[in-house]
Amino acid sequence: QSVLTQPPSVSGAPGQRVTISCTGSSSNIGAGYDVHWYQQFPGRAPKLLIFDNSKRPSGVPDRFSGSRSGTSASLAITRLQAEDEADYYCHSYDNTLSISVFGGGTKLTVL
Amino acid sequence: EVQLRESGGGVVQPGKSLRLSCAASGFTFDDCAMHWVRQVPGQGLEYVSGISWNGANIDYADSVKGRFTIFRDNAKTSVFLQMSSLRPEDTAMYYCVKDRAASGPGDFDSWGQGTLVTVSP
Repeated sequence: QSVLTQPPSVSGAPGQRVTISCTGSSSNIGAGYDVHWYQQFPGRAPKLLIFDNSKRPSGVPDRFSGSRSGTSASLAITRLQAEDEADYYCHSYDNTLSISVFGGGTKLTVL
Repeated sequence: EVQLRESGGGVVQPGKSLRLSCAASGFTFDDCAMHWVRQVPGQGLEYVSGISWNGANIDYADSVKGRFTIFRDNAKTSVFLQMSSLRPEDTAMYYCVKDRAASGPGDFDSWGQGTLVTVSP
């Protein structure tokens, strides 16, 4: 059971917009800790996609955006492409556990 | 270019020990906290341990506390994970991860390719 809750899967057709939620609590996202997002392809290491809730590292397309509100965060992907099919993980810090925590991951399928 | 190269994984019997190493290059190593994150094949990411730039701050997941020890050698730009009393549930791909911040907790902006640890009789 992950501290941060994500839907196991989401799907969308090419060109559509999808969102992936990440629900935490008052000891992590709700405490004001930043949320980060990672993209992982099968057999590959995760890659940073969004940091500090809404910032994109260099090279990440602006089709990817992030937001945080209250005890939750969201990753939005617009103009969906086949190459976006991957697993996505949210990440934050929990001050009760005193460690970083991840969501359980969401598998994005492009129909 | 940031590079993180893990080594030391392999097959080990339950109760035995193993040391993972991560050689870092391409950035100012002692400006960054470092972490280990593991992933059972087909499952999600699990935070294992982290160490601040100077080793003053260290954290561990409850699942490994008392059995794993993280340490770093800034002169050799390397971070290590000493794993003892290994259990079958420790079987996973172990990733060495660079933090954007010196003392954490920041985002994990670079990941190694991972080293596979298999704990089996």
